[in-house]
Parts: sequence; structure tokens; C-alpha cells
Amino acid sequence: SQELEQSPQSLIVQEGKNLTINCTSSKTLYGLYWYKQKYGEGLIFLMMLQKGGEEKSHEKITAKLDEKKQQSSLHITASQPSHAGIYLCGADPTSGTYKYIFGTGTRLKVLA
Amino acid sequence: EAQVTQNPRYLITVTGKKLTVTCSQNMNHEYMSWYRQDPGLGLRQIYYSMNVEATDKGDVPEGYKVSRKEKRNFPLILESPSPNQTSLYFCASSLFGGGDYGYTFGSGTRLTVV
Repeated sequence: SQELEQSPQSLIVQEGKNLTINCTSSKTLYGLYWYKQKYGEGLIFLMMLQKGGEEKSHEKITAKLDEKKQQSSLHITASQPSHAGIYLCGADPTSGTYKYIFGTGTRLKVLA
Repeated sequence: EAQVTQNPRYLITVTGKKLTVTCSQNMNHEYMSWYRQDPGLGLRQIYYSMNVEATDKGDVPEGYKVSRKEKRNFPLILESPSPNQTSLYFCASSLFGGGDYGYTFGSGTRLTVV
């Protein structure tokens, strides 16, 4: 079955620093989603990537999907305390199923 | 406002006492799903539904039931809760499953079974 592995599991950065979170799939990705979760709350959709080499940005957050469509990275530029939370990647299932899967998440803390 | 509403937000119950967690969406979404979130295990899918009267098991369906009699509602039923079902539960919906707008998640239900 397909699995999503995220790294790092947790991250502490100083405000203003850049950071990158990675999501690696054991199989080719047909659709890769990034979400942000504040502790104990629901997930908020950030962006979705589908094509190899695709890159999307939302405010100071940029996500990329590699050409082979097995790895995605989420990059935050000039981090702020408001960026703190848990970032999860999710993936469309392999063909023939409707079991959407998620990574275990990366916990981000931004020090003011 | 487009949203997924879960109730209750917090619930403490005793082993064996049947309970239902409700989920309702107002976006006319076809696809709805239940997840549980546990430390170190991430989000795991319990059940999903592609449309009314169409439900199927996710990765961890044991001990849970669902129904989809109306498009907007997708309740999660625990017939005989046990302590290992203590978790944070999320309901999510989407138009056709993912897509350009991803899933819309409810605020979560924190369940404790003692």
C-alpha cells in the first residue's frame, strides 16, 4: 500500500528564518495536498499539486512536486509565529481505490 | 459559510455505551470521510462515502459504523466503545475526493473512553 513519509517530524526555527518540510511517497503521486493544522483543530487546505515539476505559492509558502512525482517539498520563507502548527501532506489514492492517505505530519514551532 | 460541522467537540464516555458523532456539510459534496488522529500515527481513514447509500471501509474500520442516508450527513457510530478508541476524530468532505480545493475538515471531536 502507498505510504507518505514526512521529514522532519518536528522543527523549531527562529522567526524570520526559512524552512523546508519534505513529503516522500512510496509510489507515484497522482495528487498531492498540503494542509496546516493548529493543535487539536481541523486541517486547513493550503494547496494541491498534480503535475511533475509543478510549483505553487500562497503568501510565503511555496510547494513543489518533483518531476518523478514521488516527492514534494513545502518551503516557508521568513517564518512568522503565525506559521506554527502541524503541516500534513495528503495524497490521492492509487487508481481503483478511494482511500486518501496522509503523512504523519511535521510539527513546526516558530520562536519570536 | 461553507463548512463541515461535527458534534460534539468533546465527549467522555464509558466503555460499552453506544455513541454517535454527527457530521454535516453544507457544500453539496459527494465525498465524505471519517479519520482518527493519534500521536505518531497521523490521520487514519475509518470509513468513507462516495455518495448517498455508498460507503466503504478505510484502513481502521473495526469497531465503527457509518451511514449515509442523506448527502449532507455522515454520522459515525460506536456501538460499544472501548478505551483504544480514545482519539481525535475528524470528518472531511470534498466535491469528488480531493481536487483543486482539497478536503474541508470539521473542527474535530475529542473522544475519551474510560
